[in-house]
Amino acid sequence: EVQLVESGGGLVQPGGSLRLSCVVSGFTFTSYAMSWVRQAPGTGLEWVSAISGSGGSAQYADSVKGRFTISRDSSQSTLYLQMNSLRAEDTAVYYCARKYDSSGYYDYWGQGTLVTVSS
Amino acid sequence: QSVLTQPPSVSGAPGQRVTISCTGSSSNIGAGYDVHWYQQLPGTAPKLLMYGNTHRPSGVSDRFSGSKSGTSASLAITGLQAEDEADYYCQSYDSSLSGYVFGPGTKVTVL
Repeated sequence: EVQLVESGGGLVQPGGSLRLSCVVSGFTFTSYAMSWVRQAPGTGLEWVSAISGSGGSAQYADSVKGRFTISRDSSQSTLYLQMNSLRAEDTAVYYCARKYDSSGYYDYWGQGTLVTVSS
Repeated sequence: QSVLTQPPSVSGAPGQRVTISCTGSSSNIGAGYDVHWYQQLPGTAPKLLMYGNTHRPSGVSDRFSGSKSGTSASLAITGLQAEDEADYYCQSYDSSLSGYVFGPGTKVTVL
């Protein structure tokens, strides 16, 4: 059974940092690209970042470019999102999701972890 | 502001058919990139509902169907049921943004 379990969310002050983790199981981690998608309270989904199966390439939304870094550890089957210089507008539930193929759809999602940026 | 547009809400009586549009541009849907759809029930993570414009994942009811033409795509729900009340999001890739994009979402209400 495919499972994605996020952790690391919490309350952080503006300008602070946080690292999210997503532990996966049930599939060969290195065979799939992965992404982070966020959802601010009461709003829609926003794609944040993606990383290739090998970890050799990454993409970012303009809203987080230069502040967030996506990475993965194949030995731990874990996806990460390092978030620096956090702003109030980064407050959201952050989901990790598995990208199935080059078509770019997300077939499995985690349950999400809430990040709140507030003083 | 998303580069994909969807109606904020659609509604229908049980048993009726509703459609949700997803309109993009020449840098995403019109460029030939596939459109995918997700259903999000209240308080839960999104669930893949349709991929590659017209394909249903295993376990998704055949009451859901998808189509794509030009710079737009649509999701149709036939035989509307109370359990279909949810938010629906379209998703594609945008070459100008060099990233994936979601529509703003459409809330489906069963009257």
